Amino acid sequence: DGGITQSPKYLFRKEGQNVTLSCEQNLNHDAMYWYRQDPGQGLRLIYYSQIVNDFQKGDIAEGYSVSREKKESFPLTVTSAQKNPTAFYLCASSDEPNTEAFFGQGTRLTVV
Amino acid sequence: KQEVTQIPAALSVPEGENLVLNCSFTDSAIYNLQWFRQDPGKGLTSLLLIQSSQREQTSGRLNASLDKSSGRSTLYIAASQPGDSATYLCAVWGSNYQLIWGAGTKLIIKP
Repeated sequence: DGGITQSPKYLFRKEGQNVTLSCEQNLNHDAMYWYRQDPGQGLRLIYYSQIVNDFQKGDIAEGYSVSREKKESFPLTVTSAQKNPTAFYLCASSDEPNTEAFFGQGTRLTVV
Repeated sequence: KQEVTQIPAALSVPEGENLVLNCSFTDSAIYNLQWFRQDPGKGLTSLLLIQSSQREQTSGRLNASLDKSSGRSTLYIAASQPGDSATYLCAVWGSNYQLIWGAGTKLIIKP
């Protein structure tokens, strides 16, 4: 089945640790995105990538980092510099910017 | 700066009713508009994409319309079912290749 796979579904991080969220797609899409969702707030863009080896910061990139070494993969690292990382993280892809976006099932990150 | 508003924030209706969810945006210079569904604790499911040159799109019991000049889109759900209960999100693609999101409408269909 074609789609976007995010793993893990739940992730717990201790204070001061870096953690990496996985996002893989087999839709052959060029563009990929990371969003953060907090209760009562709309989705906010963290990073996006329009093509392999290129990515741009979104509205809330501080404390996060990404890489795009392969077309199908766009991992997100939540660093210790992110002061409030507890949230629901969603990965998405589209054939190209401004076309239909498809989402994964999300990763819920909790700081313990 | 583009802003997207969804009204109402929450809606509860009996099963079988037809209903309309509203989405408005401040800048008519959009590329496309997309409607999504989100179940609690889950990811987003794309329902309909309306291209900027289109006036409406239909999928099953769902019909979405787009009026760029007035900055409005509506999602019409016919013959609602309890399984339609979810949060519905509207998002527009802007000129900077980013989706701009509304806060969503939480829909509850009562059996």
